[in-house]
Amino acid sequence: EPEVTQTPSHQVTQMGQEVILRCVPISNHLYFYWYRQILGQKVEFLVSFYNNEISEKSEIFDDQFSVERPDGSNFTLKIRSTKLEDSAMYFCASRPTMGPPGELFFGEGSRLTVL
Amino acid sequence: GNSVTQMEGPVTLSEEAFLTINCTYTATGYPSLFWYVQYPGEGLQLLLKATKADDKGSNKGFEATYRKETTSFHLEKGSVQVSDSAVYFCALSPNNQAGTALIFGKGTTLSVSS
Repeated sequence: EPEVTQTPSHQVTQMGQEVILRCVPISNHLYFYWYRQILGQKVEFLVSFYNNEISEKSEIFDDQFSVERPDGSNFTLKIRSTKLEDSAMYFCASRPTMGPPGELFFGEGSRLTVL
Repeated sequence: GNSVTQMEGPVTLSEEAFLTINCTYTATGYPSLFWYVQYPGEGLQLLLKATKADDKGSNKGFEATYRKETTSFHLEKGSVQVSDSAVYFCALSPNNQAGTALIFGKGTTLSVSS
């Protein structure tokens, strides 16, 4: 069964460093998302991406964050200068054009630890 | 604004017990409602959904009914198993436009013992 894959599964970085989290969405999906979950808190929406541009973003997604689809398969989240409060599990998700909105397919997540 | 409130966990049950996890929502318009489940070490998976009032979503013995009058979407299962141990998230999609973000509750951890 096709699945969303994310790398790395866990990354430890120093505060102020740049981090890139990678995702390979399901191949025929056209909508892509990033969510994050700080330990013990709710899953929070960061950004959605369609047709090579951001379609929606939350207030969390400030200038420190960017997303890119550098080729036909990868979807990346870049955090330019990490802060302690960026420590969280980051989930990538995708969905096809057709199908119920809200029915997303999630990856297993990338745990980011900022020291 | 749009929001989802779930009962606080953890919920600890014995095998074959009845499960209810409460979820209420606030939304404008006519949202779709979802339950997602996260098993240990895995990503979130869609468990069930309901797209309009009075719809009942069901899957793997779990059920939830979209109640517009009480703005609720409570998750139930008649007889839980150890394998149901997971974190359960209630979520809403504020409208039916593709690409619109899902809004999640905090999640409720269920632990089932044999």
